[in-house]
Amino acid sequence: AQSVTQLGSHVSVSEGALVLLRCNYSSSVPPYLFWYVQYPNQGLQLLLKYTSAATLVKGINGFEAEFKKSETSFHLTKPSAHMSDAAEYFCAVSVSGGYQKVTFGTGTKLQVIP
Amino acid sequence: DAGVIQSPRHEVTEMGQEVTLRCKPISGHNSLFWYRQTMMRGLELLIYFNNNVPIDDSGMPEDRFSAKMPNASFSTLKIQPSEPRDSAVYFCASSLALGQGHTVLHFGNGTRLTVT
Repeated sequence: AQSVTQLGSHVSVSEGALVLLRCNYSSSVPPYLFWYVQYPNQGLQLLLKYTSAATLVKGINGFEAEFKKSETSFHLTKPSAHMSDAAEYFCAVSVSGGYQKVTFGTGTKLQVIP
Repeated sequence: DAGVIQSPRHEVTEMGQEVTLRCKPISGHNSLFWYRQTMMRGLELLIYFNNNVPIDDSGMPEDRFSAKMPNASFSTLKIQPSEPRDSAVYFCASSLALGQGHTVLHFGNGTRLTVT
């Protein structure tokens, strides 16, 4: 069975500072990895996904994530935080074949301080 | 593209009452998911349909919960009788699953259920 662990349920950064949200995965087969973002009173929407085509994945709103097999990590970064980035971020994992089950992490709330 | 549409957005009911949540997936999608989100338990998968057939309902809490998908454009999640611990935000999501495992889930805006 696959799983993801998000380190830190709350992260605070200053506007303009680097954003780093951590995610580690566990999977017995090559995984597909995702980052979703949830703004207040909305559903989740996809930021980016890793499908083994490239280890560095670029997403919307300037976010990117790097797949590191040796570290079983898929951390999300953005060079410069903007106030509009304040939201909750979810890492997720799935595997190929059969039932397409997506397992979500517990989420990290990002606060951006002006 | 209208996205996944859920109704109602908010539901307040008394303990013991029946509650029905509704979802219209994106046209052409063949997979539908019901999730529940709470502060304590995070995002939990309740049930997954593929081509209108329930594939995995292992996340349904108990017999008080039931879900149906009578056709490709409509699904319901019913709680009968409702209890205060059912208070949560319920999300419906749909996707076009082609077997590769990396398809994207498209979420509705959720139904916030409060059971008093």
